[in-house]
Amino acid sequence: IAMTQSPRSLPVTPGEPASISCRSSYSLLHSDGYNYLDWYFQKPGQSPQLLIYLGSNRASGVPDRFSGSGSGTYFTLKISRVEPEDVGVYYCMQTLETFYTFGQGTELEIK
Amino acid sequence: EVQLVESGGGLVQPGGSLRLSCVGSGFTLSDHWIHWVRQPPGKGLVWVSRNNGFGMNPAYAQPARGRFTISRDDAKNTVYLQMDSLRVDDTAVYYCVRGRDFENAYAMDVWGQGTTVTVS
Repeated sequence: IAMTQSPRSLPVTPGEPASISCRSSYSLLHSDGYNYLDWYFQKPGQSPQLLIYLGSNRASGVPDRFSGSGSGTYFTLKISRVEPEDVGVYYCMQTLETFYTFGQGTELEIK
Repeated sequence: EVQLVESGGGLVQPGGSLRLSCVGSGFTLSDHWIHWVRQPPGKGLVWVSRNNGFGMNPAYAQPARGRFTISRDDAKNTVYLQMDSLRVDDTAVYYCVRGRDFENAYAMDVWGQGTTVTVS
């Protein structure tokens, strides 16, 4: 399953919202009703961290300004108000198929 | 504290082998799927391999198939990635990552600090 993110680069003013899109080449909606899509965030020089799983569930400790939505082949990660510590690269990843695949990443930068 | 610590990276010539180790602490390894994810220099994340508790159900991305072997010693809370026939394009930081639980491999919630493999 191929994953395509857009945009590749996202300049944002602090306090403003941001949105990242992720498309899959095959529906990630399982018969159990869940969308098998995770979102990860990697700060510069650090290991990635889990933000969202099953399309819309925030991981433990993730601020509520982060939200995930979408179903099937189209998903969105939204940040309601960007803060300086949100700078880094965001990745979507499908977890439906045995062989997981990541999107290319979206680099969020502060204007 | 729940953590994963990788080791075993280094510089190796093309065609050579390395064995990466990943030690878990603060949780029971056999209760979780464990993945290996790599990141080539300046590039994005690439899923490599996984297996679940007691080393069952291993799976590999196509570039790793036939060359890499994932295994684990749950008594030592350790997962291994044996990498043979290494190629220049295997150069990357390799992360060991914990999946959600025994049943579910998704939601990779604990990442190691990574170990660097350079094939040159």
